[in-house]
Amino acid sequence: AQSVTQLGSHVSVSEGALVLLRCNYSSSVPPYLFWYVQYPNQGLQLLLKYTTGATLVKGINGFEAEFKKSETSFHLTKPSAHMSDAAEYFCAVRKTGANNLFFGTGTRLTVIP
Amino acid sequence: EAGVVQSPRYKIIEKKQPVAFWCNPISGHNTLYWYRQNLGQGPELLIRYENEEAVDDSQLPKDRFSAERLKGVDSTLKIQPAELGDSAVYLCASSLVSGDAGELFFGEGSRLTVL
Repeated sequence: AQSVTQLGSHVSVSEGALVLLRCNYSSSVPPYLFWYVQYPNQGLQLLLKYTTGATLVKGINGFEAEFKKSETSFHLTKPSAHMSDAAEYFCAVRKTGANNLFFGTGTRLTVIP
Repeated sequence: EAGVVQSPRYKIIEKKQPVAFWCNPISGHNTLYWYRQNLGQGPELLIRYENEEAVDDSQLPKDRFSAERLKGVDSTLKIQPAELGDSAVYLCASSLVSGDAGELFFGEGSRLTVL
């Protein structure tokens, strides 16, 4: 069964500081991995995704994530937080050949001025 | 290009009342999804359509929930009768292709409050 664990339901960082949001997955085979962002009262927007190939994936708004098979992780990072990054972030996994996305419980990012 | 459109954005009803949500996917997207997002949780799939066919409805509570996608475009999700535990955000998403790395595009959601 697919599952996704996001460590830390709330993360606070100062403006300009490193953002690190953690995601671990469980899968019998390497899955496709996604990060979505949800701003208040809005739908989810794709930040980035890992399918195959390069394990370091760059997304929109300066975010990137690295797929580490040995650690079954797909942590999301951004070198310097901006106030506009305050939102809810969801990690999701899809098993290859399957059609359903399984979402983690989300991490709410607060950026402190 | 217009995104996924959902209505209503907000709905407040009393328990045992019916409610319906409407979704218009991105033009040309054959796959349509309904997700439910409870407070503080990630979205969970309720039903997935390939064109007009419901190909995965295993998580849809069929005693009170129903959905349809006539003509393979717009879709409606209905709850009758609503219960207190149905309070959630109902998200519609669509994708050009299903499976693998196909990107899902989400609407803004319909927030349901059952009193």
